[in-house]
Amino acid sequence: EADIYQTPRYLVIGTGKKITLECSQTMGHDKMYWYQQDPGMELHLIHYSYGVNSTEKGDLSSESTVSRIRTEHFPLTLESARPSHTSQYLCASSEISGGFAEAFFGQGTRLTVV
Amino acid sequence: RKEVEQDPGPFNVPEGATVAFNCTYSNSASQSFFWYRQDCRKEPKLLMSVYSSGNEDGRFTAQLNRASQYISLLIRDSKLSDSATYLCVVMGGQNFVFGPGTRLSVLP
Repeated sequence: EADIYQTPRYLVIGTGKKITLECSQTMGHDKMYWYQQDPGMELHLIHYSYGVNSTEKGDLSSESTVSRIRTEHFPLTLESARPSHTSQYLCASSEISGGFAEAFFGQGTRLTVV
Repeated sequence: RKEVEQDPGPFNVPEGATVAFNCTYSNSASQSFFWYRQDCRKEPKLLMSVYSSGNEDGRFTAQLNRASQYISLLIRDSKLSDSATYLCVVMGGQNFVFGPGTRLSVLP
């Protein structure tokens, strides 16, 4: 089993609230990612990090922000939640070693903004 | 054009059938290739990596054709528990690019 954890698993929150989705991994991976996935739809990369103090925006534009102050922690923040932010957010981490790579996913946070 | 494209699906097959999924990718510099499985409302999990020479893991066989930029997954003797969405994943540089997925339903 992968040692990557997301909290909360489910969140229902009102419009305009600030929220932070937590993601932690204990595998010592440098690379971490945030994906957004609507039900039955494909994953879209919204943020990634290659290590401490490294953060980049992904392919899908997102109003969220991320930080990477510690290797194991990659939180995602929405300053002002809107109904359009309703989705599932999946965090992943990976390490590339000897040409092999695998992305390990957390169980996701299902966010509903009402 | 999307960077990774897959059969649109869904595939509805009876138990015991053989089913094949196709995937194409547009970035010729891609270096690593994978098939992931995602169960309904769950996170994706690695099913198998895809090597240049092709590889097999039990009932699952993956093939890679770099010249055609094409990846395939063959499932033999399909089981009810194989029902899931199968994601083709390509790695170019240091990021994983996920295809849209092909949903498989194995019917009793």
